[in-house]
Amino acid sequence: GAGVSQTPSNKVTEKGKYVELRCDPISGHTALYWYRQSLGQGPEFLIYFQGTGAADDSGLPNDRFFAVRPEGSVSTLKIQRTERGDSAVYLCASSSDYLGEQYFGPGTRLTVT
Amino acid sequence: EDKVVQSPLSLVVHEGDTVTLNCSYEVTNFRSLLWYKQEKKAPTFLFMLTSSGIEKKSGRLSSILDKKELSSILNITATQTGDSAIYLCAVGRRSGGSNYKLTFGKGTLLTVNP
Repeated sequence: GAGVSQTPSNKVTEKGKYVELRCDPISGHTALYWYRQSLGQGPEFLIYFQGTGAADDSGLPNDRFFAVRPEGSVSTLKIQRTERGDSAVYLCASSSDYLGEQYFGPGTRLTVT
Repeated sequence: EDKVVQSPLSLVVHEGDTVTLNCSYEVTNFRSLLWYKQEKKAPTFLFMLTSSGIEKKSGRLSSILDKKELSSILNITATQTGDSAIYLCAVGRRSGGSNYKLTFGKGTLLTVNP
């Protein structure tokens, strides 16, 4: 079946602009995760959804970052007033249940100029 | 704060060699340890380990968890150039209810030369 998909694959934006990154999880997966990966580092947890609600948003770096999952499927990560330090690959993952391994999408490479 | 340390950070071998990658962790409410292979952007799932001493195997790859030593190893035998990638170790712990979040190490960059 189809894996996790993310759009866009690349996004270049100017400092101060607003961006939205989209994640479409594997069909039927109830848990959805967002991670951020900088060069030379492992992915870093941002937020996790169980269904429609954010069960843990402790990894969001500040209030410029926000994510939603209104119907319990597709999720959007929103970044306001982007800064150059936000440049990274944003990865989305989904899993089927509390024991399930997380399957990752191809990521969105965000570049803030 | 949860911590995952991988070693070595990079490794260069010749085709046919056997390699062992290491992962050690410090995490509260440990639930599982996972290994991923990352070639371009998306980490690809390899193994999930929850019990100590039970080896998981897939082809030339195998992994085992030692909960007493808080560590895991990933072995790759008869390496091929297609094994060249970053290998990520992650530890899962309970978070916000029934599911859990992962803390990743920095990864080991494996290069297999022909």
